[in-house]
Amino acid sequence: DTAVSQTPKYLVTQMGNDKSIKCEQNLGHDTMYWYKQDSKKFLKIMFSYNNKELIINETVPNRFSPKSPDKAHLNLHINSLELGDSAVYFCASSPPGVPLEQYFGPGTRLTVT
Amino acid sequence: AQSVTQLGSHVSVSEGALVLLRCNYSSSVPPYLFWYVQYPNQGLQLLLKYTTGATLVKGINGFEAEFKKSETSFHLTKPSAHMSDAAEYFCAVSGGGTSYGKLTFGQGTILTVHP
Repeated sequence: DTAVSQTPKYLVTQMGNDKSIKCEQNLGHDTMYWYKQDSKKFLKIMFSYNNKELIINETVPNRFSPKSPDKAHLNLHINSLELGDSAVYFCASSPPGVPLEQYFGPGTRLTVT
Repeated sequence: AQSVTQLGSHVSVSEGALVLLRCNYSSSVPPYLFWYVQYPNQGLQLLLKYTTGATLVKGINGFEAEFKKSETSFHLTKPSAHMSDAAEYFCAVSGGGTSYGKLTFGQGTILTVHP
């Protein structure tokens, strides 16, 4: 029944490791997004994919690489994790032709030690 | 470029009192404006949005917001607060052109409702 789901919900890892966060939506949407919410609750867009094509790519270190195997999935892979990567990462999706109506997942809290 | 400023990181009201959460935006093009709510340990949920047309928009849970172009504001109100309204609220803006679909969020306002 879940609309936008993310796994894992919590992720604790050490500096220098590589990790992935997965996102899936069952809403039939064709656009998906990754947002980062820092410790001050400031929420900022990172990437957006439309039908597996990258359409928004904000100024994000190239250690972050999104991958969209199909339009229902958008994964986020992070290489060489740093302390500053600790944050809550939210996935979102929007319906065809309505990019302004975004539905958010529950978030993944990443802690880098 | 677009930006959002939410005045007051914390707002506290009594149950039954008026809720007013302030949001001012900056956008070089006619904006699309949104309010989202985030309950503890959950994702963001869309409360309401303004795209075009009527400047007073109604959302879920009895919330409404009014777009005032002259004041570049989009304040969120609810006539009577309920305990279940306690959450964090985010205002967001999206512009047209290359900014279309790209939401820029404010810093959030934590609403506390006390009995």
